[in-house]
Amino acid sequence: QKEVEQDPGPLSVPEGAIVSLNCTYSNSAFQYFMWYRQYSRKGPELLMYTYSSGNKEDGRFTAQVDKSSKYISLFIRDSQPSDSATYLCAMSAGAGNQFYFGTGTSLTVIP
Amino acid sequence: DVKVTQSSRYLVKRTGEKVFLECVQDMDHENMFWYRQDPGLGLRLIYFSYDVKMKEKGDIPEGYSVSREKKERFSLILESASTNQTSMYLCASSGTHNEQFFGPGTRLTVL
Repeated sequence: QKEVEQDPGPLSVPEGAIVSLNCTYSNSAFQYFMWYRQYSRKGPELLMYTYSSGNKEDGRFTAQVDKSSKYISLFIRDSQPSDSATYLCAMSAGAGNQFYFGTGTSLTVIP
Repeated sequence: DVKVTQSSRYLVKRTGEKVFLECVQDMDHENMFWYRQDPGLGLRLIYFSYDVKMKEKGDIPEGYSVSREKKERFSLILESASTNQTSMYLCASSGTHNEQFFGPGTRLTVL
């Protein structure tokens, strides 16, 4: 079983839609959870960072962590064509530990 | 603004050549990482370092070595490049809050 599972998509939505991206994981030791956005041929850009459970909001982006279900989500409100990218989830047990990544979900927002 | 830089965006080398990929971070981070990213396989960890002169093997270290002589610099070395090492190489660093930041990537082609 992989440490982190992520639906690769592709996901295609109309502009203005709410997008929900999800990852599940198996290791209950994970405490740090991240979402990255990666444009084609570029390095991943850190979008959201959450420690332990709960919600975090930053503009149109909301990250949720449910440690009891081992499930994390990223919501994008009022999606824009510029949000078209691959979104990667990542998680870690803490400093000095490896990071584990999902394989990424490809998102296209259609104008 | 946090910054991880990589020495080259694009690199073309021949089979058997020794290849050096350099990475520099300006965030005073303890931990640095080298990944490769291939379609369908996601990000795979090659090596990481949690301190100067320290290194740990990741999931796919074969055919690679690393050097960390200074805190801000982490080098990846391909001792004898092969065609199956054609890939996107990503360097990253993380600090005490365990947020991981990536560089722009080096797209290496081995002919």
